[in-house]
Amino acid sequence: NAGVTQTPKFRVLKTGQSMTLLCAQDMNHEYMYWYRQDPGMGLRLIHYSVGEGTTAKGEVPDGYNVSRLKKQNFLLGLESAAPSQTSVYFCASNPAQGNTGELFFGEGSRLTVL
Amino acid sequence: GQQVMQIPQYQHVQEGEDFTTYCNSSTTLSNIQWYKQRPGGHPVFLIQLVKSGEVKKQKRLTFQFGEAKKNSSLHITATQTTDVGTYFCAGARNFNKFYFGSGTKLNVKP
Repeated sequence: NAGVTQTPKFRVLKTGQSMTLLCAQDMNHEYMYWYRQDPGMGLRLIHYSVGEGTTAKGEVPDGYNVSRLKKQNFLLGLESAAPSQTSVYFCASNPAQGNTGELFFGEGSRLTVL
Repeated sequence: GQQVMQIPQYQHVQEGEDFTTYCNSSTTLSNIQWYKQRPGGHPVFLIQLVKSGEVKKQKRLTFQFGEAKKNSSLHITATQTTDVGTYFCAGARNFNKFYFGSGTKLNVKP
């Protein structure tokens, strides 16, 4: 099993450009999450999904959109990138079975917006 | 705003010294998890605490969950250079929506 796979791993954008980050998990997990990590800020929840076809806002959703059309994939979109969105983005999944909610993280996607 | 506060932000210790990081929430948590992130890596799950007053140990690591389920701590006894990294707590109010603390970056001098 590959676990949680994020693509791309690195990307440089110009202000105003759009892009999509893809997260794929092969563990049949119900819950999926997108976090961003900035120095001194820890990981902040952007959006999450509790199942196929559902999405919900986290702490910092503005400027991002998500979709969960298939259970194994969770897409994070930036419609018009801004320098403030320069960050490392982590996707995570969770089996959502009772209290055993370990988060499995991808290796991260480093995004720079110029 | 930050749902879970974590201190200290940095800790530098000599190898063999102990280390503790603390997390506090203004609201009652359903559960709390701890993660370790090595430099350049991704967070890796260490443990989950669910019960009030719960204490769990993993070799040199001791995890505690407060009686009110609003605070937690991670204590490492006799640190080693392999303990270097950033330790995060992640608190949840409904078991599956996690809010991370800002992390404590641990540096261990040999």
